[in-house]
Order: sequence, then C-alpha cells, then structure tokens
Amino acid sequence: SQKIEQNSEALNIQEGKTATLTCNYTNYSPAYLQWYRQDPGRGPVFLLLIRENEKEKRKERLKVTFDTTLKQSLFHITASQPADSATYLCALDTGDDKIIFGKGTRLHILP
Amino acid sequence: NAGVMQNPRHLVRRRGQEARLRCSPMKGHSHVYWYRQLPEEGLKFMVYLQKENIIDESGMPKERFSAEFPKEGPSILRIQQVVRGDSAAYFCASSPGGGLDTEAFFGQGTRLTVV
Repeated sequence: SQKIEQNSEALNIQEGKTATLTCNYTNYSPAYLQWYRQDPGRGPVFLLLIRENEKEKRKERLKVTFDTTLKQSLFHITASQPADSATYLCALDTGDDKIIFGKGTRLHILP
Repeated sequence: NAGVMQNPRHLVRRRGQEARLRCSPMKGHSHVYWYRQLPEEGLKFMVYLQKENIIDESGMPKERFSAEFPKEGPSILRIQQVVRGDSAAYFCASSPGGGLDTEAFFGQGTRLTVV
C-alpha cells in the first residue's frame, strides 16, 4: 500500500544546531514534494517545493533534498531558533492533481 | 489580496445536526481542495473541486458528507447528522488551476466540535 512516513513524532534540537527531518514514501512516484509548517490552531503554511529532477532546494535557513532512488526527502533548518518550533509536514504529489500528507514531525528548539 | 478564507473558525454542533463549512478561495483561484485533520493525525484528503464540478471525491465518506463549489460564492462542505467522530479541523486549499505544484495556500481551518 502507499505510505508516507515522517521520521519521528517529536524532535528536540538545541538552539543554534541544525534540525533534520525525514520524509520517506513507498509505492509513489511523485513529480514533486512539498514541505509545510503548521502551528497549533493554524492552517499549514507552504515552505518549499522540490521537483523530481531537483536534488536540492534552499530558502534562507531552509534546505530540502529529494532522492527519488531512496524515496526520501530531508528537510534541514540551519542555525535553529526557538521560533522554528512547530509541526512540519511533508506532502507529495499523487499524480492526479492532489497532494497527500505525512503525519508531521513536532520540532522543539530548546533555548 | 486576501488569502483563503474559511468560516466559521469554530463550530459546535449537537449530534444529529448539520454542519456547513465555507471556503472562499484566493482571488483568481478556481480549484478548491478540502482536507480533514483529526487530533494527533495528519491531514487527510477529502475532495477536490473546480467551479461547478467535483473532480475527485475519493476521500469523502460515502454517507452524510457532500461538497459543492458553485459558480458564484464559496465552496461548501456539508456534513449531515453529525456524530462525535466528525469532530476535527477541516482545512481547504485553493489553486489557480489543476494541481498544487506551485505555492499552495491553505485557510486557517474550521474546528468542528460535536457534542
């Protein structure tokens, strides 16, 4: 069956360090993959999209990689700050104009 | 340019009542997606609509749930005879054309509580 898995339900990282979140999928061949941030009681906020022919994408302190052979995306936040604490969701294209989401990883940046 | 607007933000219904959730897409967007998020769960796809058309309703429960996106006005997600298990946050997203392969915009959600 088709599955998207994010590496852990919760992740604690010391302020200033790099946080790395993982998204693995099976039985899909997505043309693109997205990462979102969601704060409690709020809607998901789009962060980055990476396409299947792109290995890496950067935006300020964020970096996303996409390995279609491993069926994995890594999401990095460098120089992490307490304000980066949130739930991060990966979503991938199903090939029929919709996206499906992983359950998310709750990231806590410890001061 | 206002973002995706959902109302109400919070909705309380007694078991057996009807719930109507509204989503106004971003200006110029003609495609709407509805997702449901249960506590401690990820977002689950429900339905994808274009103006006056349901494109994909594969995630919608077969009974009690319906969705529409009329030519004029917001998209409506309607839940009839609500049960406690319908309590969740319902989010919509909009896009200018088919697919979400550009920056995708979500609303702030409607939190439905069934008592």
